[in-house]
Amino acid sequence: DGGITQSPKYLFRKEGQNVTLSCEQNLNHDAMYWYRQDPGQGLRLIYYSQIVNDFQKGDIAEGYSVSREKKESFPLTVTSAQKNPTAFYLCASMMGWNEKLFFGSGTQLSVL
Amino acid sequence: QKEVEQNSGPLSVPEGAIASLNCTYSDRGSQSFFWYRQYSGKSPELIMSIYSNGDKEDGRFTAQLNKASQYVSLLIRDSQPSDSATYLCAVNPSYGGSQGNLIFGKGTKLSVKP
Repeated sequence: DGGITQSPKYLFRKEGQNVTLSCEQNLNHDAMYWYRQDPGQGLRLIYYSQIVNDFQKGDIAEGYSVSREKKESFPLTVTSAQKNPTAFYLCASMMGWNEKLFFGSGTQLSVL
Repeated sequence: QKEVEQNSGPLSVPEGAIASLNCTYSDRGSQSFFWYRQYSGKSPELIMSIYSNGDKEDGRFTAQLNKASQYVSLLIRDSQPSDSATYLCAVNPSYGGSQGNLIFGKGTKLSVKP
């Protein structure tokens, strides 16, 4: 089945630690996105990538980093500079302009 | 700052009734509008998209768009308990390099009582 796979489902971060959230898609989509969702809040865009080896900052990129070395993969690193990382992280992808946005199942990140 | 506003609810309706969810947006140049359903702890699922003024129907769902009033709504007919979820309104603004740079409202929580 085609889709977007996010892992892990739950992740815990210690103080000063960098953690990486995985996102893999087999939909052959060009564009991929990372969103953050806080309780009772809408989704906020962290980073997006329209093609391999290129990515752009979203509205809340500070404290996060990404890479897009393969079309299928768009991992997100939450760095120690992100002081309030606890949130639900959603990866999404889209084939092209004005197409449907597909979401992965999400990763819940918490701070120990 | 471009914004999308929704009543957070909760909106409670009896089973079989019509649920009406509303959304306003600030970017007058916006062209694409979406409604996503999100169950607790799950990822959003697209249920309706609308691009031109008027109504668009899909089964029990009807999306309504009024660009002059910068208003988009979602009607759910014959509401079922399984419709209980948070409904997110999303707007594609007139700026930004990618169609996926949607601006999301905070969502309206709908509860359908049996």
